[in-house]
Amino acid sequence: AQTVTQSQPEMSVQEAETVTLSCTYDTSESNYYLFWYKQPPSRQMILVIRQEAYKQQNATENRFSVNFQKAAKSFSLKISDSQLGDTAMYFCAFMKLPLLRGTGNQFYFGTGTSLTVIP
Amino acid sequence: DVKVTQSSRYLVKRTGEKVFLECVQDMDHENMFWYRQDPGLGLRLIYFSYDVKMKEKGDIPEGYSVSREKKERFSLILESASTNQTSMYLCASSSAGGFRWNTEAFFGQGTRLTVV
Repeated sequence: AQTVTQSQPEMSVQEAETVTLSCTYDTSESNYYLFWYKQPPSRQMILVIRQEAYKQQNATENRFSVNFQKAAKSFSLKISDSQLGDTAMYFCAFMKLPLLRGTGNQFYFGTGTSLTVIP
Repeated sequence: DVKVTQSSRYLVKRTGEKVFLECVQDMDHENMFWYRQDPGLGLRLIYFSYDVKMKEKGDIPEGYSVSREKKERFSLILESASTNQTSMYLCASSSAGGFRWNTEAFFGQGTRLTVV
């Protein structure tokens, strides 16, 4: 079974500063995807960024970037120039591809990190 | 824009009631999921379905069942609601394509269920 660990239940950052959220995972799979999702107080889960395991280059989406260390099974999220709207719960997620196409992709989630951006 | 819609945002039910949580997606996704979200426990998979009438148990299926009679609709059923099923329930869907651009899970807005 796959496990995803987020060791930081809560974090805070000053507005405009940079913060890094940690995530580690455990898997024997070689082909998989990793995601960071954001859940603001409105409760709507939104995809922040995704990373394919076969790609060495770290994914970047505007102010969000990841540090993907495949050998270490680490997938951290860096938020630059933090904004008040970044205040949310952040979930790291792992998705393995099914052995047989069409038999379902399973997602595994960490326990989340609650990030507060302080004005 | 992909939309996953859950029938209720808030629900209050009595112990022993049969409860139906409905989820509809409009992107023709093969995969649909029901998660339960509790503080400190993250998202735990209850059931998922990768095709009509197909279902697989997740990590915490006890006390729940599901139904998928149509591709766009995935229902979670609490056969006899109990207070320990008070929680946030999230529905999600994803494509089975496995290509980069469609690997993500899309979520509904969540149903906060209180069993009294």
